[in-house]
Amino acid sequence: EADIYQTPRYLVIGTGKKITLECSQTMGHDKMYWYQQDPGMELHLIHYSYGVNSTEKGDLSSESTVSRIRTEHFPLTLESARPSHTSQYLCASSGLGTAIWGGYTFGSGTRLTVV
Amino acid sequence: SQQGEEDPQALSIQEGENATMNCSYKTSINNLQWYRQNSGRGLVHLILIRSNEREKHSGRLRVTLDTSKKSSSLLITASRAADTASYFCATDGGGGSEKLVFGKGTKLTVNP
Repeated sequence: EADIYQTPRYLVIGTGKKITLECSQTMGHDKMYWYQQDPGMELHLIHYSYGVNSTEKGDLSSESTVSRIRTEHFPLTLESARPSHTSQYLCASSGLGTAIWGGYTFGSGTRLTVV
Repeated sequence: SQQGEEDPQALSIQEGENATMNCSYKTSINNLQWYRQNSGRGLVHLILIRSNEREKHSGRLRVTLDTSKKSSSLLITASRAADTASYFCATDGGGGSEKLVFGKGTKLTVNP
């Protein structure tokens, strides 16, 4: 079944640690996105990619980085986690034209807590 | 910058009642979309309405769009406890942009 997967689902990590949040999709979508969402709040776009080897920063400044080496994989990395990075991170994807005419498909999210 | 803003921020109703949520936006759009988010989960796409459409139905959902007022409404009829969730509107920026901008959402509680 075509889907989008995020791991881990929950992560508690100490300050200063390097972490990578995984996002993979099996739909062959060329466009992928990372949003950051605090509880009960709006989503903020932090990174997006329109294809392999293409990544851009979103509207919200983020200390994280992303890579897109394979179509299906769009990991997000924090080199040195801080308590201010505590949030929920949502990955989404869309295919040709579907962002405009069909909508995004979202993963279940990773809830990150930095202590 | 904030594109879509939902109103009200929170809504509590009884099962069987209708729930109406509103969304306002600022720039021109190609389409407006509504998403649902259960607590702590990802978003699920509900319905999309194009800028040249005024009303669209999907099951118990009815969406209207008024581009002159830059506003949209989502009506859920005959609500159920399972409809309890947050609902977000999302807009593209027009001009072929495929980056969606989400509002702050309306938290709907349907009491059994």
